Amino acid sequence: GAGVSQSPSNKVTEKGKDVELRCDPISGHTALYWYRQSLGQGLEFLIYFQGNSAPDKSGLPSDRFSAERTGGSVSTLTIQRTQQEDSAVYLCASSPDSWNTEAFFGQGTRLTVV
Amino acid sequence: AQKVTQAQTEISVVEKEDVTLDCVYETRDTTYYLFWYKQPPSGELVFLIRRNSFDEQNEISGRYSWNFQKSTSSFNFTITASQVVDSAVYFCALSVVNAGNMLTFGGGTRLMVKP
Repeated sequence: GAGVSQSPSNKVTEKGKDVELRCDPISGHTALYWYRQSLGQGLEFLIYFQGNSAPDKSGLPSDRFSAERTGGSVSTLTIQRTQQEDSAVYLCASSPDSWNTEAFFGQGTRLTVV
Repeated sequence: AQKVTQAQTEISVVEKEDVTLDCVYETRDTTYYLFWYKQPPSGELVFLIRRNSFDEQNEISGRYSWNFQKSTSSFNFTITASQVVDSAVYFCALSVVNAGNMLTFGGGTRLMVKP
């Protein structure tokens, strides 16, 4: 499809395990964002990639969270040693550039840590 | 730092009523963008509108209209003649030119339109 694709759509993991969430942005979009949506915190920015520049990691809540973007396209968000408070919907978005144009969102990955 | 406040956490209306969703923002930047997104039960955020800080002209798109007032730092959203399909969570968001395109979201307003 032409939209932002995220996988898996749902993930249940045991506390302490590592998880990887994947995002396929819209082809040609240079900017990619990760957000987290949880009941207590609303929608929070996590990390931002723009082209080949160093990512803006200012929103990552702890050093257990990391993300990479390979070849300027697909991105993977990794959460190590998951905790119950990591349970949330993780949303990926992409936009054509960084000039405050519309961001297109995927349907998210619902992560449940048990 | 930026902040967006949506004071109404939940609104319930009957179909065909008009409804206004409030959004108040805070930023020290003079160049910024304001957005509204709709999140239906499917979960995907759907873009509705973007407005830059230099354009205070109100906009109408079908049953949707937006009122941007810099003097009160507000960017309110009105749905005229609401329909059941308008039921969703609506988010107001802000981004500033010097911070890439990352969005600062309000807490969202859940709109329930009853038949």
